Amino acid sequence: QKEVEQNSGPLSVPEGAIASLNCTYSDRGSQSFFWYRQYSGKSPELIMFIYSNGDKEDGRFTAQLNKASQYVSLLIRDSQPSDSATYLCAVKAYNTDKLIFGTGTRLQVFP
Amino acid sequence: KAGVTQTPRYLIKTRGQQVTLSCSPISGHRSVSWYQQTPGQGLQFLFEYFSETQRNKGNFPGRFSGRQFSNSRSEMNVSTLELGDSALYLCASSLGQGDIQYFGAGTRLSVL
Repeated sequence: QKEVEQNSGPLSVPEGAIASLNCTYSDRGSQSFFWYRQYSGKSPELIMFIYSNGDKEDGRFTAQLNKASQYVSLLIRDSQPSDSATYLCAVKAYNTDKLIFGTGTRLQVFP
Repeated sequence: KAGVTQTPRYLIKTRGQQVTLSCSPISGHRSVSWYQQTPGQGLQFLFEYFSETQRNKGNFPGRFSGRQFSNSRSEMNVSTLELGDSALYLCASSLGQGDIQYFGAGTRLSVL
């Protein structure tokens, strides 16, 4: 079992729809959870981070965390073609800077 | 505020050579982590440095090494390059251990 798992996609959604990206992790000691966006040929860019169970909203983005189910998700409302990218879920254990990444989900938003 | 700076951006080397990559963190950041990204394996953790000390190391052979200087700048070195070392090498900095990491643009290494 991989430490952080994501569906590789591609996930295709029409412009204006909600895109739902999911991630599961295996280490119950994980404390911090991150979503990075990576455009082709570019470096990862932080979108959201979440530490506590529940939802965290930032503009069109909502991160959801359920530690009991070891599950974290990212919702993108009103998806735009510019949101087309690979979304990387990353998990960090307590008091370490070691990020464990999933392989990413490729999102395609079509007009 | 300047971001994380990695140099060089591109490198072409041949098998058996060695290479040194450089990373200058965001001003005030003291923690630097290195990652390797390949199409097949995704992003994999190499090592983490804080206050000139290696705090964590990933599952890479001893050919991969790094260090951090007193000004928090970091270098990683790969000796005896192999074709499989071709990858995008990313550096990320954070204020301290456990803080949010911000990535540099990366160094793309091609080994021929």
